[in-house]
Amino acid sequence: DAKTTQPTSMDCAEGRAANLPCNHSTISGNEYVYWYRQIHSQGPQYIIHGLKNNETNEMASLIITEDRKSSTLILPHATLRDTAVYYCIVRVAGNTDKLIFGTGTRLQVFP
Amino acid sequence: EAGVAQSPRYKIIEKRQSVAFWCNPISGHATLYWYQQILGQGPKLLIQFQNNGVVDDSQLPKDRFSAERLKGVDSTLKIQPAKLEDSAVYLCASRSGELFFGEGSRLTVL
Repeated sequence: DAKTTQPTSMDCAEGRAANLPCNHSTISGNEYVYWYRQIHSQGPQYIIHGLKNNETNEMASLIITEDRKSSTLILPHATLRDTAVYYCIVRVAGNTDKLIFGTGTRLQVFP
Repeated sequence: EAGVAQSPRYKIIEKRQSVAFWCNPISGHATLYWYQQILGQGPKLLIQFQNNGVVDDSQLPKDRFSAERLKGVDSTLKIQPAKLEDSAVYLCASRSGELFFGEGSRLTVL
């Protein structure tokens, strides 16, 4: 079973920041928070991951609360191409681990 | 770098027929996964390989689904006989660090 809770859908205006929340209240100390997104008719795409520190890359920023029970994915300047389903996943990193997907958040970016 | 290749992209069959999907992972990736994604749901793991050995197939309906990864590179997923509820996108992913997914094979069972 997925160990995360996300809103079903969100809207965001183009050019504005999109903030996607995720609750993972049962996360263990050795579990990372991963974010993937799936654009229509494509396979999921890796965005970012973190353990307890905030992370930033060229796609997004990840803010993890101090108690690690929730996190927020931030797309700083959303574009129409960011319209997708965003999945928040907790995962123990290792050679035999696997990703368990929930239903994700459907983000609609509008002009 | 070439991505994960899957074929066919689309397949339409009648129930009780058989179908096979092929996946070529990214070169050098030892871990390979097959996921099933039903419309409106997140991907569900069917089977995980490490090289040519099965790590986890607990969610694979073994009465009709089979998968193999001969020589630890390419993999095939077979469904025989297909049921209406098998209509879905079948995603292959490989990993060396992060997971990289193919575009999927969309199966419609009539």
